[in-house]
Amino acid sequence: KAGVTQTPRYLIKTRGQQVTLSCSPISGHRSVSWYQQTPGQGLQFLFEYFSETQRNKGNFPGRFSGRQFSNSRSEMNVSTLELGDSALYLCASSLNALGTTGELFFGEGSRLTVL
Amino acid sequence: QQQVKQSPQSLIVQKGGISIINCAYENTAFDYFPWYQQFPGKGPALLIAIRPDVSEKKEGRFTISFNKSAKQFSLHIMDSQPGDSATYFCAASMGNQFYFGTGTSLTVIP
Repeated sequence: KAGVTQTPRYLIKTRGQQVTLSCSPISGHRSVSWYQQTPGQGLQFLFEYFSETQRNKGNFPGRFSGRQFSNSRSEMNVSTLELGDSALYLCASSLNALGTTGELFFGEGSRLTVL
Repeated sequence: QQQVKQSPQSLIVQKGGISIINCAYENTAFDYFPWYQQFPGKGPALLIAIRPDVSEKKEGRFTISFNKSAKQFSLHIMDSQPGDSATYFCAASMGNQFYFGTGTSLTVIP
């Protein structure tokens, strides 16, 4: 069974640009969540989608957005990039149904560097 | 505001020793407490998890101790091995929202 796939793995952008990251969850998983990982801050929750609906959102500015498609694949977008957006962006998928807690399966992440 | 506080930030242990990582939380609504292990260049992977209705869970060399009244939980790695060298994250969740600690970098010296 294929794991969570994130693309691209590495990318470099400049301030003010925008970026779109993609995540393909494990087959059959309907929940996809996104996290930002930076040294010293750990994993910060961005948002979570289930059946194309955003269920939860973390404390990030509106420049961070996401969506989920009918096949459960998800994308996140960051507009007007800032230097502080440099981080590893992790996607995690879960089998869990509404209201339950399921194990998170993480991808290897997309490492974004903003110059 | 950090919902889950983790310590220490880094830990060095001799091979065969015991590694202990501690976490504390505030929100009593959390109902699931997993530990994740992350190797360089990889995403975190679930190591072991516990629910608040038990005080301890053991899987091989890994044990979670859970103190509901103190709102603390810890990971114990017995007989630590060089292959355990990684970053460990504790987490707490309610429903589908997870909150992670800031991570502990563990180095096991041969």
